[in-house]
Amino acid sequence: EVQLLESGGGLVQPGGSLRLSCAASGFTFSSYAMSWVRQAPGKGLEWVSAISGSGGSTYYADSVKGRFTISRDNSKNTLYLQMNSLRAEDTAVYYCAKEGPPYCSGGSCYWGYWGQGTLVTVSS
Amino acid sequence: EIVLTQSPATLSLSPGERATLSCRASQSVSSYLAWYQQKPGQAPRLLIYDASNRATGIPARFSGSGSGTDFTLTISSLEPEDFAVYYCQQRSNCPTFGQGTRLEIK
Repeated sequence: EVQLLESGGGLVQPGGSLRLSCAASGFTFSSYAMSWVRQAPGKGLEWVSAISGSGGSTYYADSVKGRFTISRDNSKNTLYLQMNSLRAEDTAVYYCAKEGPPYCSGGSCYWGYWGQGTLVTVSS
Repeated sequence: EIVLTQSPATLSLSPGERATLSCRASQSVSSYLAWYQQKPGQAPRLLIYDASNRATGIPARFSGSGSGTDFTLTISSLEPEDFAVYYCQQRSNCPTFGQGTRLEIK
């Protein structure tokens, strides 16, 4: 059974940093691209960042480019999101999400599995 | 960035009724569109991918259609557990979501 468990959220001041983790189990972690998706309180979903299975390719939304860094440790089956220079508008629940078969076509995939999310609050 | 616009914002229906939710893309996404369901306090759940394919375990009352810029999610006969928020999503190099349609009990 695929399981994704996020941790590391909390309250941080504007300009501060936080590192989120997502512990994965139930599948061959290194074989799958992973993403972070966030949801501000009472708002919709926003894709934040993605990383290939090997970690060699990374992608970011413009809203976080230059401030956030996605990484993974395939030996620990763990995905990370290092968040620096945090702003009030980064306040959200952050989900990690797994993409891959059978929800793939045309060379890319959809997110078939999601964690339960971790809340990040940026406030003074 | 491809913008997805969902309508209506809120849909009020009764159990047993048919629900029709729309998603329009600012440019063609071919058939590369998904629908997710989200209930309060829960993560999103993939319902439909590639516009019309049901994900594993999704009941047959959920169906998707469309291609290019116009897409529809249909729930043929609403069950009490179907009242939730629904999002469409396109999966280009910069994935985006629609703003959501809240399906509420009338």
